[in-house]
Amino acid sequence: LAKTTQPISMDSYEGQEVNITCSHNNIATNDYITWYQQFPSQGPRFIIQGYKTKVTNEVASLFIPADRKSSTLSLPRVSLSDTAVYHCLSRPYNQGGKLIFGQGTELSVKP
Amino acid sequence: DTAVSQTPKYLVTQMGNDKSIKCEQNLGHDTMYWYKQDSKKFLKIMFSYNNKELIINETVPNRFSPKSPDKAHLNLHINSLELGDSAVYFCASSQGASSANEKLFFGSGTQLSVL
Repeated sequence: LAKTTQPISMDSYEGQEVNITCSHNNIATNDYITWYQQFPSQGPRFIIQGYKTKVTNEVASLFIPADRKSSTLSLPRVSLSDTAVYHCLSRPYNQGGKLIFGQGTELSVKP
Repeated sequence: DTAVSQTPKYLVTQMGNDKSIKCEQNLGHDTMYWYKQDSKKFLKIMFSYNNKELIINETVPNRFSPKSPDKAHLNLHINSLELGDSAVYFCASSQGASSANEKLFFGSGTQLSVL
């Protein structure tokens, strides 16, 4: 059973660009990929969603290759306040319609 | 106004007790969920309700019983609590279960500690 996978943790420094890749190689044909940000003691909150190619908003960019089996969340010039857990979410075609999260990537931004 | 609110925020209890967590959403959404987050931060779906009807019931012990009195509320009752039930439980809601661009809105979580 294919899983939705992402790195468990990443370290970065302030001002750097951070890219977090999620593998979702059994994503349903028509479904979007969504990313969430979670601060300690809070619930996850939506940051970006896309179907294919590139999506950009005021917080992040999302890159999705043509085969849609992975996606990369890009955070430009991170600051200390970007320290959080980042979750990708997708709907596999073989999981009865359920949305499945990746394991979550704990990003630590250092000064 | 908090969009998805769950209570209590913290719950500390003894093994064998029965406890409930309440969730309410004021977004007018049709679908509500319960997720369990373990110490490694993985969010695992437990239940999903659409307009008060159970649509997803993962492999969860039957000590866990969700109840949806109306589409704005989804409560979680847990009988005979065990040490392994210790986790953070999140309620979430969305408009349109199974829609291609479904977005989840989460509560702030209930940290359950079973001693």
